[in-house]
This record gives sequence, structure tokens and C-alpha cells, in this order.
Amino acid sequence: NAGVTQTPKFRILKIGQSMTLQCTQDMNHNYMYWYRQDPGMGLKLIYYSVGAGITDKGEVPNGYNVSRSTTEDFPLRLELAAPSQTSVYFCASSDRGESNQPQHFGDGTRLSIL
Amino acid sequence: GQSLEQPSEVTAVEGAIVQINCTYQTSGFYGLSWYQQHDGGAPTFLSYNALDGLEETGRFSSFLSRSDSYGYLLLQELQMKDSASYFCAGKKTGANNLFFGTGTRLTVIP
Repeated sequence: NAGVTQTPKFRILKIGQSMTLQCTQDMNHNYMYWYRQDPGMGLKLIYYSVGAGITDKGEVPNGYNVSRSTTEDFPLRLELAAPSQTSVYFCASSDRGESNQPQHFGDGTRLSIL
Repeated sequence: GQSLEQPSEVTAVEGAIVQINCTYQTSGFYGLSWYQQHDGGAPTFLSYNALDGLEETGRFSSFLSRSDSYGYLLLQELQMKDSASYFCAGKKTGANNLFFGTGTRLTVIP
């Protein structure tokens, strides 16, 4: 039972490099989310999607892009990495957007920008 | 705006009861959820309150009072494995996403 799978688990980037964080879920969930979590802090929403072909900005979208071409996949793209983007990134999915629908999280990608 | 405030740290003794509070300041508030996160791990869903009152799930209970803009998570019969960070998360009416509090780090001591 895979749930939400994120790759890679760890990555070090140089300033200005680009990369894509992968996220896939096998629960046929419509809603998917990308969060970042800085040390000792809560989760901040970057982008979310309510279904294939539909994406929307969250609280901290600057410097990131997303796409949702299939129900299963929701990759997050960093175009020009900056030190401020050093964080742990979590992808999550839920069946619907209501609060009583648990969000299922992946194990996270730990990203350092040097 | 929207914000959820929690105490940053709580320490409690194994076997005891602990309450983690969450106060919110947001218009059109819809419901309050709670998530647990162990160090280095992913958040996992614990409970949800849409209506005022207490929801019980085993050793964990969650409470919401809309009139007081306040909720709490109650952990009973604390175990060492309950040492983790706990986040409340809110939702505004009509929104498709949650916003999270800054989290409370619970340390259970023998």
C-alpha cells in the first residue's frame, strides 16, 4: 500500500540550479497539495490541485511551479534555486477538500540550496 | 487574515493527561483538524471537529468552541511514543485547502 510517494528523499542544489520534486499517489485522490516546512515551523501551502488540469496558488507560491496532467502525479518545479528555498517539502493528497477528509502525506523531500 | 496559535512546547509525564490548545483568528472558519508529526516523519491525521463539542478517538480527544475561537487536543494515558509535534489545521468556508498552526512539541518524560 504505497499511498503518497515522493522522490528524491534528499537533494543538495547549487544556487540558480533547477529541479523537479516528484509526487505520485495511488489512492485515486482528486486533491493534491505541496507544502514546505522550515525547521521548527508549521506547514505552508505552496500550490494545490483539485483535479487533473487544475492548479491554484497557496500561501507561498513564488519561485515554484506545478502541473497536474494526471490524477496520480503532481510534480513541483523549482526554476532558479535560492537559499531561502532550503526546506523540507511535503506532498499530500485527499479524497475531497473538506477538513474531515484526512490529508495523506508523503515522507518528504529534504532540500538544501548552497 | 488567518492564523492559528499554539504553545510552542509542552512537557508531560508518562501516564498523565495533557491538553494542547489552539486559538484561531479567521473569518468564515469551517472546521479544525489535528495532525501528529514525529521527528523526521510525515504528518498524520488524528482528528477533526466541524461542530462544537468533544470528539473522542481512543486515547485522543479533540474539542472545538466556535464562540471562543478555540480548540484543544487532549491526550490521555500518555506514552513515550506520543512525544511528537502536534499541529492544528483550519479551513475557511468554501476553501479547498487547510492552513496549519506552527505546532506544539510534546515531550513525554518517564
